[in-house]
Amino acid sequence: EVQLVETGGGLIQPGGSLRLSCAASGFTVSSNYMSWVRQAPGKGLEWVSVIYSGGSTYYADSVKGRFTISRDNSKNTLYLQMNSLRAEDTAVYYCARKLRYFDVWGQGTLVTVSS
Amino acid sequence: EIVMTQSPATLSVSPGERATLSCRASQSVSSNLAWYQQKPGQAPRLLIYGASTRATGIPARFSGSGSGTEFTLTISSLQSEDFAVYYCQQYNNWPPPEDTFGQGTKLEIK
Repeated sequence: EVQLVETGGGLIQPGGSLRLSCAASGFTVSSNYMSWVRQAPGKGLEWVSVIYSGGSTYYADSVKGRFTISRDNSKNTLYLQMNSLRAEDTAVYYCARKLRYFDVWGQGTLVTVSS
Repeated sequence: EIVMTQSPATLSVSPGERATLSCRASQSVSSNLAWYQQKPGQAPRLLIYGASTRATGIPARFSGSGSGTEFTLTISSLQSEDFAVYYCQQYNNWPPPEDTFGQGTKLEIK
């Protein structure tokens, strides 16, 4: 079964750092394009970042320079390192497999940035 | 950035009736458009890609149409499990990716 499971969310103070993980099963992360998409409370969906199978990475302007997407091929896991967190980064973060559109989604992990 | 605008924001329809949701792009995205369904507390689920191709396991009552800047998601006979929020997403430009979503249409029971 194709599945994604995110972990690592929680409550963090403004300016802090957090690393999200997304463990994949049923397919190989390194052979696919993988993304992070977030959803602020009561709001819509916002694409955050993508890593291509070749290793190229891209970010939304709102997180560029603060967030880093990466993967560990041996663990078949995707990561999102989030630094210099702001209140506006508060959201549920989903990892998703990207076939240009997003065909597989994890259940999401909530990140709350607050003092 | 391509802006996606969905209408209406909320649509009230009775079970068994037909629902029509609209999505407009600020510039042409060809047929590079997807639709997702999201229920409370759940992740989005892919319904339609390529503007009109149903994803695996999606019932035939869901259909998508359109190209360029105007798109429609139609649910032919609403079932209780269809009441949810629906998002469109364009994926026309890449690389680099410029995926953008509409703001969503909430489909509620009338």
